Amino acid sequence: TQLLEQSPQFLSIQEGENLTVYCNSSSVFSSLQWYRQEPGEGPVLLVTVVTGGEVKKLKRLTFQFGDARKDSSLHITAAQPGDTGLYLCAGGDGGATNKLIFGTGTLLAVQP
Amino acid sequence: NAGVTQTPKFRILKIGQSMTLQCTQDMNHNYMYWYRQDPGMGLKLIYYSVGAGITDKGEVPNGYNVSRSTTEDFPLRLELAAPSQTSVYFCASSRTRQPQHFGDGTRLSIL
Repeated sequence: TQLLEQSPQFLSIQEGENLTVYCNSSSVFSSLQWYRQEPGEGPVLLVTVVTGGEVKKLKRLTFQFGDARKDSSLHITAAQPGDTGLYLCAGGDGGATNKLIFGTGTLLAVQP
Repeated sequence: NAGVTQTPKFRILKIGQSMTLQCTQDMNHNYMYWYRQDPGMGLKLIYYSVGAGITDKGEVPNGYNVSRSTTEDFPLRLELAAPSQTSVYFCASSRTRQPQHFGDGTRLSIL
């Protein structure tokens, strides 16, 4: 069974600080997706990475896929209160439907 | 463009009752999925569909059924509600295997 562990589980920081969230597995994934979920809403896709070592940037967010495609990180520079939410990573199994295995999430609170 | 629409948003059921969670998408996506999200457990795949008339089980299908008679609709049926099915249910769709658009969820409590 493929598992994805995210760390930390909870993170409370001040506006302007930097942070990194990690997503780790012992399994290889064909793709890795990051989502942000706000209370009462569904997850919103932020990025998909598919190549080992790939780095993608989305404004102040930097996503990296590990060289072995077993892990990923999300780095936020100068966090803002609008970044508050639950960050979920999900690994694709590469099958016909690329079913996603979700991590348990990192709950981020950015205090103004 | 409404995206993925789920109804109802909230529901309370008694043990043993049945209900159908509705999901419809207006993006003409072939792939549709049902997930449940429990606190601290991430999202678990219940059922998925790769197109009208085709459905298959995910990680946690027991106690649920689905149908896909049209591209737009993918309802999830609970036949005999049990307390373990208390959860938030999300429907998702995608054009390809990777990107997924989620609805806002149905919060279901079974008492």
